[in-house]
Amino acid sequence: DIVMTQSPDSLAVSLGERATINCKSSQSVFYTSNNKSYLAWYQQKPGQPPKLLFYWASTRESGVPDRFSGSGSGTDFTLTISSLQAEDVAVYYCQQYFRTPYTFGQGTNLEIK
Amino acid sequence: QVQLVESGGGLVKPGGSLRLSCAASGFTFSDYYMSWIRQAPGKGLEWLSYISGSGDVVYYGDSVKGRCAISRDNAEKSLYLQLNSLTAEDTAVYYCARAAVPGVGASLYWGQGALVTVSS
Repeated sequence: DIVMTQSPDSLAVSLGERATINCKSSQSVFYTSNNKSYLAWYQQKPGQPPKLLFYWASTRESGVPDRFSGSGSGTDFTLTISSLQAEDVAVYYCQQYFRTPYTFGQGTNLEIK
Repeated sequence: QVQLVESGGGLVKPGGSLRLSCAASGFTFSDYYMSWIRQAPGKGLEWLSYISGSGDVVYYGDSVKGRCAISRDNAEKSLYLQLNSLTAEDTAVYYCARAAVPGVGASLYWGQGALVTVSS
């Protein structure tokens, strides 16, 4: 199985500051035939199902604010929130859908400092 | 709009079985792979299984392989997950999910989840 490891496990950032979450896969999730990384990012708030933020590592889902960005390729990926807002408090997960089972990272709990 | 509604959760005794359902609406159900993903209380997400639009391709994660069966009824626009030999480690919220596009991929649409509690 591909192991997804996020860092940090928990992060406290001041309002308006940048938040950065990293995700590393145990093997590449880049498919050379279409030049895409099979990596998604989700946001989950308490009592709610996850919400898809990015797919193909950096393609923003419709409606996601542009303060969110996804980057990376191969095995190393980053989710960045350029200016943290109160509504961004949540747990964030990465997921690879390159090879079954489509494993998730352990999650990063983002809080306000 | 796309809606996914899970049902069938509840309290089950260890060793028991349960069948979860997911009613889909707002899209051509048979065009899409569907997945089951679960989340134990206070824990992360665990992808369990998927099934192709026609039902001829299925996959199971190791934690449920051999005691789980995914199926679908395209006429009824419903997805199912049969879970057998349940243990306390199966206690979780079970979500059904659909990818953004036909075929496999990231899960764009999620149900609200069905809570399964395994306890004597």
